This record gives sequence, C-alpha cells and structure tokens, in this order.
Amino acid sequence: DVKVTQSSRYLVKRTGEKVFLECVQDMDHENMFWYRQDPGLGLRLIYFSYDVKMKEKGDIPEGYSVSREKKERFSLILESASTNQTSMYLCASSLYFGGGIEAFFGQGTRLTVV
Amino acid sequence: AQKITQTQPGMFVQEKEAVTLDCTYDTSDQSYGLFWYKQPSSGEMIFLIYQGSYDEQNATEGRYSLNFQKARKSANLVISASQLGDSAMYFCAMREGPTYNTDKLIFGTGTRLQVFP
Repeated sequence: DVKVTQSSRYLVKRTGEKVFLECVQDMDHENMFWYRQDPGLGLRLIYFSYDVKMKEKGDIPEGYSVSREKKERFSLILESASTNQTSMYLCASSLYFGGGIEAFFGQGTRLTVV
Repeated sequence: AQKITQTQPGMFVQEKEAVTLDCTYDTSDQSYGLFWYKQPSSGEMIFLIYQGSYDEQNATEGRYSLNFQKARKSANLVISASQLGDSAMYFCAMREGPTYNTDKLIFGTGTRLQVFP
C-alpha cells in the first residue's frame, strides 16, 4: 500500500522557534510537494522538489525553506515560526508527469504557533 | 501563470440528485492534466478523477465524470446520484508538464458540498 507519512499530526510551537516538518514516502517518487491549507484559500503550494537536492519555489515560499537530501524524505523548515504560520500543512508525492498521474498525500500536520 | 479557479464556496444537493462543481483553469502550456480531489472531514485527500489535455473523451470514474471543455478552459466535476457520504470539500487541481522543474501541482480554493436527505 502506497504511503506518505508526516512525522506529526499536531504540533504546538512558540513564536521564533525553528520548526521542522518531516515527510517520508515509500513509493520511489521523484516529485514531492509541501502545501499549507487555510479556510477559504484552499491548498497553496509552498515548495516542491523534482529530484534529490533540487527544489523550486511555489506560490508562498516566504518564511519557509526545504531540504531534500534523500529521495524519500522532504523536510519543510520554518526558520523562525510566526503566528501567521499557524495552519494545516500537507505533504504530497508523485511520479513525473507522464510517468504517473495522481499525487498521494500525507495525513497532514496541524501546526499552531503561539 | 498557472491558475485554478473554483467560484462556488459551497453547494447543496439533495440525495440521489446530480450536482456539478465548477472549475476553470489558466495555463499557457499545451500539455497539462486536470484533477479532482475529495477531502472529507477526516482530512485525507482522496483522488477522484483525472483528465489529460490531449484526451478527447471526458473522463469518467463510477459516479464521477469530468466535463472537459478545452476551449473554455473548464473542467467541471459532475457527481451523479449524490450520496450522504459525498459531503466533503472538493478541490480542482492542475499539473503542467513534462518539464521537470515546472511539474508542479496547484489547487483551487475548493467547494464544500453538502448532501441532504
């Protein structure tokens, strides 16, 4: 069974903390994505990666960075968490377009910054 | 720039009736794919249906069909014979490709569908 696993379901962090959100997939997918989901705004793409050590900015990269040192793992980093980064974070993975169709999602991490 | 628009924040439908959820998109690429995902209250993202830009026939998957009108850049989801379990958020999404560093998946703002008895 295909699987995308996010390290935490719920996180509470303090303003100014460095926060790591981890995502692991076991499908040997090339592409991995990080989104944040907010009511009324849908899923907004933060960063994506199409290969190890390769990354591209999405629509809202400010305040975030990412790391992909191994194919199966894609980390989202909040360098200095702020309250406006309180959100649901979703990780996804997929094959290259043309090699596969759908993206598979993790269960999400609900992050609260206080 | 790539963009997905869902203009219906919420929709109501009676059980056993059909419902159409609207989606329009914008892209300058000739090769792209369109998707619909369902997100129930549990939060998981469930893939429903896919339409490739070169597919000549509308995609169908069980009670789901995608009304693809390329010239209008629309990809509406039709759910036939609605069930109570169809109550959820529905997201339209698009991928462009196949260039590796542009192969990103973007989503619309979603439509909340509520099915009533």
